[in-house]
Amino acid sequence: SYELTQSLSVSVALGQTARITCGGNNIGSKNVHWYQQKPGQAPVLVIYRDTNRPSGIPERFSGSNSGNTATLTISRAQAGDEADYYCQVWDNTSGWVFGGGTKLTVL
Amino acid sequence: DEQLLESGGGLVQSGGSLRLSCAASGFTFSNFAISWVRQAPGKGLEWVSAVSGGGDSTYYADSVRGRFTISRDNSKNTLFLQMSSLRAEDTAVYYCAKEILVAEAGTMWFDPWGQGTLVTVSS
Repeated sequence: SYELTQSLSVSVALGQTARITCGGNNIGSKNVHWYQQKPGQAPVLVIYRDTNRPSGIPERFSGSNSGNTATLTISRAQAGDEADYYCQVWDNTSGWVFGGGTKLTVL
Repeated sequence: DEQLLESGGGLVQSGGSLRLSCAASGFTFSNFAISWVRQAPGKGLEWVSAVSGGGDSTYYADSVRGRFTISRDNSKNTLFLQMSSLRAEDTAVYYCAKEILVAEAGTMWFDPWGQGTLVTVSS
């Protein structure tokens, strides 16, 4: 089965750049999607198809995907960006696959 | 504005049954597959089940196959999840989420998600 690996936690200083990674075998050949989930709330799509932002998502959120790692980058991190972030792909064998999630802390 | 609203969660004993509903609005419901995704307390997201737009194709995670049944009523813009033989490990918040499919790219994602409904299975 296809698996996605995320770090449990990432910390970033206020105003700096946070990078959250999602590892998978040749993940660069797949489209990766990212969700933000704040405590007590439902997940919200922040990046789809590696690099695309839905309407309403700040330009500070960007994505990239190559080789065995996809990355969600949050520039000029704000306190309101504190949340859990999940990557997701569709795999022909495993179907709907989520990463384990990364907790972002803004210091 | 696209919206999904779950209901039907609650406390149930191990071995019992429960039926979840998801009411959709703001989009052409029958044009989209919909999934159930769950989140156990303090844990990550786990895909549970999906149904095609017409309701003729259904898919299940191994952990629930044979115990859960997904269905939809397109005349009422509503999705269902019938859960039976419930176990303690089924305790979770259950979200419904609309699937965006790009078949030519071999990919799909979820947008939007409902607010979730909590299912607690007591042992």
